[in-house]
Amino acid sequence: DSGVTQTPKHLITATGQRVTLRCSPRSGDLSVYWYQQSLDQGLQFLIQYYNGEERAKGNILERFSAQQFPDLHSELNLSSLELGDSALYFCASSVGTAGGAQYFGPGTRLLVL
Amino acid sequence: AQSVAQPEDQVNVAEGNPLTVKCTYSVSGNPYLFWYVQYPNRGLQFLLKYITGDNLVKGSYGFEAEFNKSQTSFHLKKPSALVSDSALYFCAVKRDGQNFVFGPGTRLSVLP
Repeated sequence: DSGVTQTPKHLITATGQRVTLRCSPRSGDLSVYWYQQSLDQGLQFLIQYYNGEERAKGNILERFSAQQFPDLHSELNLSSLELGDSALYFCASSVGTAGGAQYFGPGTRLLVL
Repeated sequence: AQSVAQPEDQVNVAEGNPLTVKCTYSVSGNPYLFWYVQYPNRGLQFLLKYITGDNLVKGSYGFEAEFNKSQTSFHLKKPSALVSDSALYFCAVKRDGQNFVFGPGTRLSVLP
């Protein structure tokens, strides 16, 4: 158990809908990262927050947004969903932003029908 | 730009034999290097990391990795493979001020 929790574990929705994925980092970790894992794209970095502020952006679509709250939990919002958004979405946390290891949650499996 | 290559999609090894999962990277400056393992339907688990110092890094579950600056490689090794080591292995690189970049993954199958 990494100490990172993600909810829900599974999500099935329809095209055009909006969903929110939630992540609670390990106790003491200030950084939260979001990743998308799909069979054809591998593990893609989406976005990072550090202590409530956006720190880095990766391959995140404009339909996707995220935030980190004062209690350090984070939410990833996916809107106008398309079939191609079906994937595993992972949250990871680390203490800071330098060379520390990331600790991954169990992921949310999203299926868009 | 940073990049990570894992030249083998799949590595097969017999139980008890040594295993190597290869990783090469391209990054300017001094990188931080990581190995993660992913079991089916699970998140990635941290195995080990190289920041600085001794080129041979020891990690979890008997794994180790050797940093080779001249060859820009960070191969993962284990002296004696177990069937339970069968999983997907990811190499990752990071520089200060840059994002983590993960390789495409290598599927390790340890045959009994």
